[in-house]
Order: sequence, then structure tokens, then C-alpha cells
Amino acid sequence: EAQVTQNPRYLITVTGKKLTVTCSQNMNHEYMSWYRQDPGLGLRQIYYSMNVEVTDKGDVPEGYKVSRKEKRNFPLILESPSPNQTSLYFCASRSDGTKANEQFFGPGTRLTVL
Amino acid sequence: GENVEQHPSTLSVQEGDSAVIKCTYSDSASNYFPWYKQELGKRPQLIIDIRSNVGEKKDQRIAVTLNKTAKHFSLHITETQPEDSAVYFCAARGSSYKLIFGSGTRLLVRP
Repeated sequence: EAQVTQNPRYLITVTGKKLTVTCSQNMNHEYMSWYRQDPGLGLRQIYYSMNVEVTDKGDVPEGYKVSRKEKRNFPLILESPSPNQTSLYFCASRSDGTKANEQFFGPGTRLTVL
Repeated sequence: GENVEQHPSTLSVQEGDSAVIKCTYSDSASNYFPWYKQELGKRPQLIIDIRSNVGEKKDQRIAVTLNKTAKHFSLHITETQPEDSAVYFCAARGSSYKLIFGSGTRLLVRP
């Protein structure tokens, strides 16, 4: 089944404790991105990747890191989480970042930083 | 910068009535406009999209219209049903290739 997966789905952590949210897609998509969803603000892009070893900042990259060592994986790293990073996170992918193709979302990761 | 504004933020309609959600975009180079539906606790899922060379597209009870001159596009849902209740997001893909999302509309269909 073609899909985007994320882990963990739920995470409660404390300020300053490094964490990684994994994202994987099995559709051989070039383009992957991370969003955070907050009430009243819609989906805001954190980072995106046009292909392996190519990453770039989105609209709200502060406090986050990403890597794209393999085509299928695009982990989101919070080196020192803070309470303002409490949010719902979605990973997404599409086949070609330069074309108007459907973007598929992962199931979401609800992160709480205490 | 690129921006998409979406209205209304909440919409309540009676079952069987129509619902209309409107979005405006700022990047005149935008050429792709998808609409996503997000049910409670679920991921956003594409329900319909339109490209800039088309003015209108319809899929059963759902239609989208695009006015490139006004930089405005709308989602129309006819004969609404309780299962249409969800949050709807519009988006526009501009010259930077990234999708810019609106802030969402919470639609409630009252039985």
C-alpha cells in the first residue's frame, strides 16, 4: 500500500531533551516536507527536500533540523525542544517537487513539550 | 511573500444546503490549487484540485472555481451531508514550488 508513515504518533517530552520524528514514504517520491499545524494558523511548512541531500528552509524552520540521506526517509530533529514547539506535525511527499502533483500526508505526530 | 487567505474560519449549514469556502492568493505565478479535507484526528486528504488553465472543475457534489484575474478560488459543496463535517484547507502552489495553505475552515453540517 502506497503511504507516508510517521513515528511516533504521540510524544510527550521535556524541554531540552533531543528528539527525532521519523518519516518514511514508499512511493519513490522526490519531494518531502514537514509541516506543523496549530489552531487558527493552518499548515505551516518547516523544512522541505526536493531530493536526496537537498534540503531547504520553509516558513518556520527555527528550532528544527532535517536530513535526507535516503530518498524514502526524511526525519525531523528537535535538538532542544521548547514548549512553543508543542504542535501537531505532518510529514508529506509528492512525486516531483517542480510539478503540480498530489501531495500525500502522513498520519501526524502530536508532540507535547513540557 | 506568498500568502493564502481563507474565509470563513467556521461555517455551519443545514444538511442539504450548499457550502462555499473562499480563498485568495498573493502570488500571481500560482498555477495549482488543491483543496484538502481533514476529519477530526486524521491527516489532510486531497478532495479536488484545479490548475490555472481551467476555470472550473466538478466532482459529484464538489466543485472548485478559479478566477485568475482576481486571484481568487472557491470550493462549493452541494447537498451537504453530516459526513462533510470537517476542516477544509485551500492551498496554492506558486513560483517557489511549495504549497501555501490557508488557515482552514471548520464546516459543521447540522442534521
